[in-house]
Amino acid sequence: SQKIEQNSEALNIQEGKTATLTCNYTNYSPAYLQWYRQDPGRGPVFLLLIRENEKEKRKERLKVTFDTTLKQSLFHITASQPADSATYLCALSRSGGSYIPTFGRGTSLIVHP
Amino acid sequence: DTAVSQTPKYLVTQMGNDKSIKCEQNLGHDTMYWYKQDSKKFLKIMFSYNNKELIINETVPNRFSPKSPDKAHLNLHINSLELGDSAVYFCASRRSSMNTEAFFGQGTRLTVV
Repeated sequence: SQKIEQNSEALNIQEGKTATLTCNYTNYSPAYLQWYRQDPGRGPVFLLLIRENEKEKRKERLKVTFDTTLKQSLFHITASQPADSATYLCALSRSGGSYIPTFGRGTSLIVHP
Repeated sequence: DTAVSQTPKYLVTQMGNDKSIKCEQNLGHDTMYWYKQDSKKFLKIMFSYNNKELIINETVPNRFSPKSPDKAHLNLHINSLELGDSAVYFCASRRSSMNTEAFFGQGTRLTVV
């Protein structure tokens, strides 16, 4: 069966450092991989999307890599700030109209001032 | 303007009752979803619906049913509520012609007592 794995333990880092979150998957051939941010009591909010033929995508302080051979995506936040503290979810999907984003459990990031 | 809105935000009800959660999107999207997020924060797809097809996660009990009066709305009806139905339910939408992100509502926290 399909599995999407993210670190279940919270990631604690110091302000200013780079946070790196991991998303691994098995038994899946996604066309797209997305990262979302979820704050307590809120719905997930989209951050970045990367396609299977792309190796890397950047947006401001965010960077995503996608390695379809390793079946892994890395999500980086550079110069992290306490306001970056949240749960980060990766989601995989195939292409087409019946695309349904399938989510991992998310990793909690805590940035300490 | 809220892009995807759900009502109510909180719902407390007794076992055996029937309840509905409403979802509306003003983005002009043609595909809508319902997700369930359990106490371990796992976001699990329940239904995917557009004007052509309804895709049901086979693990969802048939006490749950989506109803779409029009393209902007996808309501969730739940019959004979059980304690295990307690969770946060999220509605989401996207435009199926573009493989882009899903937009989520703020969630409905359902507590069955």
